Amino acid sequence: GQQVMQIPQYQHVQEGEDFTTYCNSSTTLSNIQWYKQRPGGHPVFLIQLVKSGEVKKQKRLTFQFGEAKKNSSLHITATQTTDVGTYFCAGRGNTPLVFGKGTRLSVIA
Amino acid sequence: EPEVTQTPSHQVTQMGQEVILRCVPISNHLYFYWYRQILGQKVEFLVSFYNNEISEKSEIFDDQFSVERPDGSNFTLKIRSTKLEDSAMYFCASSLTEGSGNTIYFGEGSWLTVV
Repeated sequence: GQQVMQIPQYQHVQEGEDFTTYCNSSTTLSNIQWYKQRPGGHPVFLIQLVKSGEVKKQKRLTFQFGEAKKNSSLHITATQTTDVGTYFCAGRGNTPLVFGKGTRLSVIA
Repeated sequence: EPEVTQTPSHQVTQMGQEVILRCVPISNHLYFYWYRQILGQKVEFLVSFYNNEISEKSEIFDDQFSVERPDGSNFTLKIRSTKLEDSAMYFCASSLTEGSGNTIYFGEGSWLTVV
């Protein structure tokens, strides 16, 4: 079945450094979603990408969907302590939404 | 900001018992979802619901599970004959549409412990 792999599993950065998490699917996706989950909290929907090669920005966050629609990335510029949490991608192909295992981001002030 | 509300926040049940988790989606939303997250693991999609019927479900959502919208506001997940491995956080979510630009709002979750 469809698998969604996300790397890295953990990332520790100094405040102000950039951060990127990558998501790769075993199959072509129709769309991909990104979520943030704070420790003990619920997932918060960030964005959905649909088009091949799509790039969307939300303030310091940049989301990209690959040309082949099999990979995606989330880049955070100049991380802040409020960025701490686990970032999940979730892709939909011919199967229902499949989540990656997430990247847990720690930001050291 | 509008929010999805879930009850109970925590439920402990004996193995084999039936559990109903309740959700009140955002009032004008049309799409409803259930997800689960076993402690320390990734989020897993269970089911989506639109126009009073299941629009999509995952392999996890077998005959043990059912969903219902008994009235105009509630959206419930029923788990029959609970097993130990059903212990997880169950999240309800809702959205206005399904297309690009759509935002999916999650509830705070219902933590189910099966003993």
